[in-house]
Amino acid sequence: EIVMTQSPATLSVSPGERATLSCRTSQSVGHNLAWYQQKPGQAPRLLIYGSSTRAIGIPARFSGGGSGTEFTLTILSLQSEDFAVYYCQHYNNRPPYTFGQGTKLEIK
Amino acid sequence: QVQLQESGPGLVRPSQTLSLTCTVSGGSISSGNYYWTWIRQPAGKGLEWIGRIYSSGSTNYNPSLKSRLTISVDTSKSHFSLKLTSVTATDTAVYYCASEDSVWGVYDHWGQGTLVTVSS
Repeated sequence: EIVMTQSPATLSVSPGERATLSCRTSQSVGHNLAWYQQKPGQAPRLLIYGSSTRAIGIPARFSGGGSGTEFTLTILSLQSEDFAVYYCQHYNNRPPYTFGQGTKLEIK
Repeated sequence: QVQLQESGPGLVRPSQTLSLTCTVSGGSISSGNYYWTWIRQPAGKGLEWIGRIYSSGSTNYNPSLKSRLTISVDTSKSHFSLKLTSVTATDTAVYYCASEDSVWGVYDHWGQGTLVTVSS
């Protein structure tokens, strides 16, 4: 099973600034990595797949990068609605398709 | 637009069987475009992949749950189900059903989630 490690656990950023979240996998997953956003009481929402492709309806301020074992999610000019928990997930080869433990993005 | 809705008891006694159903609408459960998946989330914790089923009935399970888990599909009723036996308090969680894109392996549609508490 591939282990996903996200950092930091909590990130404090001011509205309008940039946030960069990291995800590391225990073995290479190529570009088979996705990012999700989860707000309290809601199901996760797909943001990014293929490490860098935005899902339908996701604003351009969200961007993903990386390959192999190191990945990033960058959010430019943070809006109030962006403060949430973010999860990375791999979908390489066969299940289980594990998730990271999450990064909580909070208002500074 | 595919929509999913979980249903089932919110309280299960320890050692009993947890049973949930996910009803799919807005798309065909038999289309082949998706794997139908269960994911859970204990309160304040991260997401755990439980398992998935294809419309053909082919399944994949999380090895940590495999001995207690059955996922099935009923295409005539457009729903798929989860049964988890011998539950304990550690199985208390919000259970989500989701559609996994069969090409990209990502979860693009989710149910709203249902809280299942294991308690006597």
